[in-house]
Amino acid sequence: EVQLVESGGGLVQPGGSLRLSCAASGFTFSSYSMNWVRQAPGKGLEWVSYISSSSSTIYYADSVKGRFTISRDNAKNSLYLQMNSLRAEDTAVYYCARTKFYGDYDGAFDIWGQGTMVTVSS
Amino acid sequence: SSELTQDPAVSVALGQTVRITCQGDSLRSYYASWYQQKPGQAPVLVIYGKNNRPSGIPDRFSGSSSGNTASLTITGAQAEDEADYYCNSRDSSGNHFWVFGGGTKLTVL
Repeated sequence: EVQLVESGGGLVQPGGSLRLSCAASGFTFSSYSMNWVRQAPGKGLEWVSYISSSSSTIYYADSVKGRFTISRDNAKNSLYLQMNSLRAEDTAVYYCARTKFYGDYDGAFDIWGQGTMVTVSS
Repeated sequence: SSELTQDPAVSVALGQTVRITCQGDSLRSYYASWYQQKPGQAPVLVIYGKNNRPSGIPDRFSGSSSGNTASLTITGAQAEDEADYYCNSRDSSGNHFWVFGGGTKLTVL
């Protein structure tokens, strides 16, 4: 079964750090680019970061640039998000999502994890 | 602009047809994808590309696009289709790699 399982969420104080993990199974992880997407309580989806299959291309949303770092370990079938200088507005459920590219440039998020909650509060 | 705009809420009578729209400059260059999210669950991809459904998605879901507007149509809406629906696409502005719409809450009456 194709599956993504996030972990590492929790309660952290403003200014603190947290590292999220996403374990992939049931597919060839090293062949797919991956993303982190978050959803604040009662709000919509917000794309956070993208990493290509070989880690050669990385993008961030402006809201997290300079504070978050995406990485992956293809040998361990794992995706990570290092979150530093956390703010209250980073409070959200964080999902990892697989990219399905089609055509030349289009893509979609075809597999999602169940999410892990991050709460930034004193 | 890197925004995708959706109506916040739409309703449809059971068994009728409903169209959910998504507008944005990025849609002139890229196809939209559509996701269904039920309370407490992760989003699920229902439509991508010109009009493609992943395996397991009922054929009552379809997609279309014209100019800067993408549409998700549910033909013969069922009670289980009540959910939030989000569009997303690549971002043509160059500000971000991907962009999401604000979401549409679909109520099936």
